[in-house]
Amino acid sequence: AAGVIQSPRHLIKEKRETATLKCYPIPRHDTVYWYQQGPGQDPQFLISFYEKMQSDKGSIPDRFSAQQFSDYHSELNMSSLELGDSALYFCASSLSFSGDTEAFFGQGTRLTVV
Amino acid sequence: AQTVTQSQPEMSVQEAETVTLSCTYDTSESDYYLFWYKQPPSRQMILVIRQEAYKQQNATENRFSVNFQKAAKSFSLKISDSQLGDAAMYFCAYRSVESGSRLTFGEGTQLTVNP
Repeated sequence: AAGVIQSPRHLIKEKRETATLKCYPIPRHDTVYWYQQGPGQDPQFLISFYEKMQSDKGSIPDRFSAQQFSDYHSELNMSSLELGDSALYFCASSLSFSGDTEAFFGQGTRLTVV
Repeated sequence: AQTVTQSQPEMSVQEAETVTLSCTYDTSESDYYLFWYKQPPSRQMILVIRQEAYKQQNATENRFSVNFQKAAKSFSLKISDSQLGDAAMYFCAYRSVESGSRLTFGEGTQLTVNP
């Protein structure tokens, strides 16, 4: 079965550079979520999109932006990178209808800022 | 805002024995979902089990079962016949019923399985 695809899997950037993370949800899933997981921490919600509109917003820095495109894939754009942005970034997708419960996670993008 | 608390940073169990991981949460909502996710060293987030708050019956998935106490806002995970492959970080998570709403995770419990 198709899963959530994230690219790239690993990314190394220097401080003050820009990074773009991509997420391809499971086919027919209409909701995408982004989470950030620092070393030894639990995943923290950043932002979500339902039908290409922002549906929920968490602790996402102003330096970050995200969008969901017409084909439902999503991109997380991160500018002016800081050392503290080094983390594992997860994308998850779900099919939102009455009764939906499960979000399926991708394998994550490991971002290292040096 | 909802919060999820896991008071056991680390737990260990002998292979083939049973272990229970604790989770409590705080919410003002009457209907919601609760989950346990497993994160092995590969860092992949794997759903272990889920519980709908409106269901009184505790969810069960093979060797994994939950003890859901809605009034006490408690949601513990029991792993029976523990296997070496169960070793991982386990996260308890809460989600509102509203479509597109976020998962709120607890701090996690690192489970070690001893042979």
